[in-house]
Amino acid sequence: DGGITQSPKYLFRKEGQNVTLSCEQNLNHDAMYWYRQDPGQGLRLIYYSQIVNDFQKGDIAEGYSVSREKKESFPLTVTSAQKNPTAFYLCASRSPRLYNEQFFGPGTRLTVL
Amino acid sequence: DQQVKQNSPSLSVQEGRISILNCDYTNSMFDYFLWYKKYPAEGPTFLISISSIKDKNEDGRFTVFLNKSAKHLSLHIVPSQPGDSAVYFCAASRTGGGNKLTFGTGTQLKVEL
Repeated sequence: DGGITQSPKYLFRKEGQNVTLSCEQNLNHDAMYWYRQDPGQGLRLIYYSQIVNDFQKGDIAEGYSVSREKKESFPLTVTSAQKNPTAFYLCASRSPRLYNEQFFGPGTRLTVL
Repeated sequence: DQQVKQNSPSLSVQEGRISILNCDYTNSMFDYFLWYKKYPAEGPTFLISISSIKDKNEDGRFTVFLNKSAKHLSLHIVPSQPGDSAVYFCAASRTGGGNKLTFGTGTQLKVEL
């Protein structure tokens, strides 16, 4: 089945440690996105990539980094510079055939202790 | 600056009745609007969308209405079913904006028996 996978579902890290969240898709989509959701808030865009080897900052990129070496993969690193890293992280991809509909993975809950 | 607003954090409706979820936006450059449904600890799923050249789009029990002059859109669900209980997010995008989505803060819909 085609889809977006994010692993792991739950992740715990100590304060000050960098952590990388995985996002893989087999939908052959060019564009991929990372969002963060906090309680009572909408999804906020962290980074996005419209094509391999290219990515742009979203609205809240500080303290995060990404890479896009393969079409299928768009990992997100939460660095120690991110002030409030505990959140629910969502990865999405977009089909060029559909105007702006993005398809989301199941998410990763990151808790920094 | 919240460009997409969902002013009702929650809504309770009886099964079989109509659910109406509202969304307002401030950026007149937005020209495409989407509704997503989200269950706890899962990624959002796309429901329905509408282009700014239309004022209504219908898909089964779901209808989205767009009032451009008021910068307002609404999602109607009729008849409402218990399985519709979820958080609903409104999202907006604009042509040339990198296909980025700007999300509202969500409305928790509860459909009661």
